[in-house]
Amino acid sequence: GAVVSQHPSWVICKSGTSVKIECRSLDFQATTMFWYRQFPKQSLMLMATSNEGSKATYEQGVEKDKFLINHASLTLSTLTVTSAHPEDSSFYICSARVGGDSGYTFGSGTRLTVV
Amino acid sequence: GNSVTQMEGPVTLSEEAFLTINCTYTATGYPSLFWYVQYPGEGLQLLLKATKADDKGSNKGFEATYRKETTSFHLEKGSVQVSDSAVYFCAHPFKDSGYSTLTFGKGTMLLVSP
Repeated sequence: GAVVSQHPSWVICKSGTSVKIECRSLDFQATTMFWYRQFPKQSLMLMATSNEGSKATYEQGVEKDKFLINHASLTLSTLTVTSAHPEDSSFYICSARVGGDSGYTFGSGTRLTVV
Repeated sequence: GNSVTQMEGPVTLSEEAFLTINCTYTATGYPSLFWYVQYPGEGLQLLLKATKADDKGSNKGFEATYRKETTSFHLEKGSVQVSDSAVYFCAHPFKDSGYSTLTFGKGTMLLVSP
């Protein structure tokens, strides 16, 4: 089946540094990927929709300059958390749509801790 | 607007008990409906889905039937196991600005004790 590989699975960084999270579609082409953020014991919040070859579409309240999204190829989308702060600590998950509205596949998530 | 409402957890059961997690939705049209499961520290895995009214999705002993008349997609399992302990999310896609994304319920944590 369609698989999205997400790396790293966890990362600890210092305040003020930047962290890049990668999501790769391994056996299919993903023209669109979705980036979610999940706070402890809460649901997934859609941050942005990443589109191959064009600018990402951000949800209201999500800072574009802080959460940089790049989707340069049909198999790779990246989320860069710039100038990270402790409040950015969270679980980030990417997803791609497979086969229209009948299927979505998710990465395994990245646990980001900013100290 | 589009939304998904799930029963609040945690749901605490003993092994082999019967499970029901309620889910209702509001949406335009008749979208596909999904149940995802998230084990501790992991991403989401598709548990089951139904693409049209009256369809029943099933997997690993879990079942859910797409009820158009009650706009519901309740998750059931006849006999839960300790390994079923996880967070369960009900979801459906919606189109906004041309993109189809998933709307999730808040998730229901299931805790199964031996």
